[in-house]
Amino acid sequence: DVKVTQSSRYLVKRTGEKVFLECVQDMDHENMFWYRQDPGLGLRLIYFSYDVKMKEKGDIPEGYSVSREKKERFSLILESASTNQTSMYLCATQTGDLRPLHFGNGTRLTVT
Amino acid sequence: DAKTTQPTSMDCAEGRAANLPCNHSTISGNEYVYWYRQIHSQGPQYIIHGLKNNETNEMASLIITEDRKSSTLILPHATLRDTAVYYCIVRQKDSNYQLIWGAGTKLIIKP
Repeated sequence: DVKVTQSSRYLVKRTGEKVFLECVQDMDHENMFWYRQDPGLGLRLIYFSYDVKMKEKGDIPEGYSVSREKKERFSLILESASTNQTSMYLCATQTGDLRPLHFGNGTRLTVT
Repeated sequence: DAKTTQPTSMDCAEGRAANLPCNHSTISGNEYVYWYRQIHSQGPQYIIHGLKNNETNEMASLIITEDRKSSTLILPHATLRDTAVYYCIVRQKDSNYQLIWGAGTKLIIKP
């Protein structure tokens, strides 16, 4: 089974802090994704990566950046956290286009 | 990508087949239909996908109408652990990896 591990299940940060959300996968998948999930808005794609050091913007990249230095690790960075970034963050991996997504269990981030 | 319409919620008795409908009347010929589910406090889980033909795996069956304007996900013997939000998504090949997630159907399995 594919394992997608997100470093924290719950996280509380202060406004203005720099926040790192880590995602690690153990199946050598090419593609990795960061989504946020908010009530009434569904899942929205923030960034994705289809190779090491490659990144592409999703629907809502503003206020976020990403890093993929190694194939198995994809990090989401909030340069200066704001209260409107309070959300559930989900990482996903994929072997290739049209293949199923495999999700982690999410990080619930609260920014106060 | 085509949009989908699903009922907001459904109930099903434990042990019975759960049939979850999805309308995708604007689907185009090269768009696939995917189903995922999300159990409370977990990330979404892939269930099944198809293009034109009906599909079956160990979790579920996917029935796609001949005109491809709608589909039904069938869980043949629902258990309490199948209580979840079920998402029907259509996606075009080469659409830059984007999936459009709607609100899904909240399926409640009752004992």
